[in-house]
Amino acid sequence: GAGVSQSPSNKVTEKGKDVELRCDPISGHTALYWYRQSLGQGLEFLIYFQGNSAPDKSGLPSDRFSAERTGGSVSTLTIQRTQQEDSAVYLCASSLGTPPYEQYFGPGTRLTVT
Amino acid sequence: AQTVTQSQPEMSVQEAETVTLSCTYDTSESDYYLFWYKQPPSRQMILVIRQEAYKQQNATENRFSVNFQKAAKSFSLKISDSQLGDAAMYFCAYREGTYKYIFGTGTRLKVLA
Repeated sequence: GAGVSQSPSNKVTEKGKDVELRCDPISGHTALYWYRQSLGQGLEFLIYFQGNSAPDKSGLPSDRFSAERTGGSVSTLTIQRTQQEDSAVYLCASSLGTPPYEQYFGPGTRLTVT
Repeated sequence: AQTVTQSQPEMSVQEAETVTLSCTYDTSESDYYLFWYKQPPSRQMILVIRQEAYKQQNATENRFSVNFQKAAKSFSLKISDSQLGDAAMYFCAYREGTYKYIFGTGTRLKVLA
């Protein structure tokens, strides 16, 4: 079946603009996760959704970052007033709500803020 | 706080040879999972192997195997008979509970023909 998809694949934006990144999880996966991967770094956890609610938003770096999930499916990560330090690859993953809770990743969105 | 350390930023291996990637982690928990993920240039994170901490037996998946030393908090990945397609970034990850993964900074593996 189809895997996790993300759009756009690449996004170039000017400093100060808002951007929206989209994630389509695997059908039937109740959990959804966003990560940020900066150059030369590992993945940094941003937020976790179970259904439409986000019990853990602890990784969002500032109030410029927000995310929502609708219909227990698609999720959007929004970054307002983008800064150059927001440049990174943003990865989305999804998993079933049952053990082993294995996460399946999308191909990511590469965000470049100029 | 839990941490995952990969001390080898880059490794090289000759095709058909064996290579071992190192990973150490820090936790006070006794029940957790450890993973190795592969990230090729396509950026897609691919699960290579999983180890449950309560299992003493080391996990294996075809040419991939781990050496899990719980007391030493060490979790290394051995790749046997290396192939050109194995070239990628490899990330070690720790998971406690049902969802929160902590990733290391990765090891870039080059496979030489």
